[in-house]
Amino acid sequence: KQEVTQIPAALSVPEGENLVLNCSFTDSAIYNLQWFRQDPGKGLTSLLLIQSSQREQTSGRLNASLDKSSGRSTLYIAASQPGDSATYLCAACNDYKLSFGAGTTVTVRA
Amino acid sequence: EAQVTQNPRYLITVTGKKLTVTCSQNMNHEYMSWYRQDPGLGLRQIYYSMNVEVTDKGDVPEGYKVSRKEKRNFPLILESPSPNQTSLYFCASSFSGAFSYNEQFFGPGTRLTVL
Repeated sequence: KQEVTQIPAALSVPEGENLVLNCSFTDSAIYNLQWFRQDPGKGLTSLLLIQSSQREQTSGRLNASLDKSSGRSTLYIAASQPGDSATYLCAACNDYKLSFGAGTTVTVRA
Repeated sequence: EAQVTQNPRYLITVTGKKLTVTCSQNMNHEYMSWYRQDPGLGLRQIYYSMNVEVTDKGDVPEGYKVSRKEKRNFPLILESPSPNQTSLYFCASSFSGAFSYNEQFFGPGTRLTVL
C-alpha cells in the first residue's frame, strides 16, 4: 500500500522567501505525482502534475521535481507572497488510485 | 464553466438515516472518485469509477456504496450512517483511464455530521 508523507506539517516564512515543500512516497511504481493547494473550507486546486517519466514541471513561480528512485518530490515556490498561504498536498497515483499526504500548512507573513 | 458539483454542501443527520451525496461533472470525464478528509489523516479514497458501470473500492470503502449509471454522475450512498463517518467529503474527476496524463479536478466538498 502506498504511503505518502509530507514534512514539515507547518511552515511560516516572511514574504519574499522561497518555499521548499517535501513529499515522500513508499511505492515508486507511480503513474504520476500531483501537487494541490487547499484553502480553508475550500476544495483542492491542482497546481502541478508530474508524469512518471518526467523529472520536473514548472508553472510560473512554482516548480516541482520528482525522483522516483528515491521516492521523493519537492515543490518550490519562489518569492512567496501572503496569497500563497494555504495547505499544500501531494498525491501519488498508482493503479488508478490516489494516495495523499497529510499536507503542509504554509503561512507567509507580510 | 467546467466544474465538479456536489450536493448538499453541508448536512447534519442522525445515526442510521440513509443519505445520498450527489456528484456531477460537466467535462465528459470518464474517471470519478470519492474521498474523505479527516484531521491528521489527510484525504483517503473511498471508491472510484473508471467508467460507466465500472467501480472499485478505494482504501476506506466500509459503510459506503456508489453507483455509476451515467457518465456525469457518481453519487455516494451511506445506507446507515454512523458518527465515525462524520467528515469532509470530496468528489473528483479526470479525463480518462489513461491516468498518467490526467490531473484530477475536485468538487467544493460536503461537510457531513452524523449525530
